Amino acid sequence: AQKITQTQPGMFVQEKEAVTLDCTYDTSDQSYGLFWYKQPSSGEMIFLIYQGSYDEQNATEGRYSLNFQKARKSANLVISASQLGDSAMYFCAMMDSNYQLIWGAGTKLIIKP
Amino acid sequence: GAVVSQHPSWVICKSGTSVKIECRSLDFQATTMFWYRQFPKQSLMLMATSNEGSKATYEQGVEKDKFLINHASLTLSTLTVTSAHPEDSSFYICSVGTSGIGYEQYFGPGTRLTVT
Repeated sequence: AQKITQTQPGMFVQEKEAVTLDCTYDTSDQSYGLFWYKQPSSGEMIFLIYQGSYDEQNATEGRYSLNFQKARKSANLVISASQLGDSAMYFCAMMDSNYQLIWGAGTKLIIKP
Repeated sequence: GAVVSQHPSWVICKSGTSVKIECRSLDFQATTMFWYRQFPKQSLMLMATSNEGSKATYEQGVEKDKFLINHASLTLSTLTVTSAHPEDSSFYICSVGTSGIGYEQYFGPGTRLTVT
């Protein structure tokens, strides 16, 4: 069965530091997509970054990068130079063959000034 | 990415009444929309997949007669919670499936439903 695991319920990080949010996945599919979403306290889900299983390079979007280690089945999100506005819930997700997203439990990130 | 709106943002209704939530894709023709439910401090739970012009596909355990979904056009899907009860109180959020490189979904801002 497909599954996403986020082992960090919460993290405190000092402003301007880099932070890594962990995500491991389990699937028997050869082709799959991995996503990270941010959910601020307002509730909206904001798409951050996507990594395809066949992509050889790690995805990057501004301050976000995805550390994709296929053999370890991990897709960690790295946020460089964290900002106060980065405080939010972060969800890792994987798309299945029906184009539905399988979600991790989320990590609550708090950036300290 | 696609811009998605939801209306209303929050609603309080009395037990036994019905509530309709609208999800609009403002700049993208959405063949497929998804409806999720989220309890406090939990992840999203997929309720149903809504395909334009056809019946929605409900996830196991979701009552299709209670949560009526209509996807009549490429820009609008509605979720109607019928005969609402306090246990239906939750955060309901819709998303639009795109044809981007990852078929990423873009989400509406969500609707907070409280049933008294």
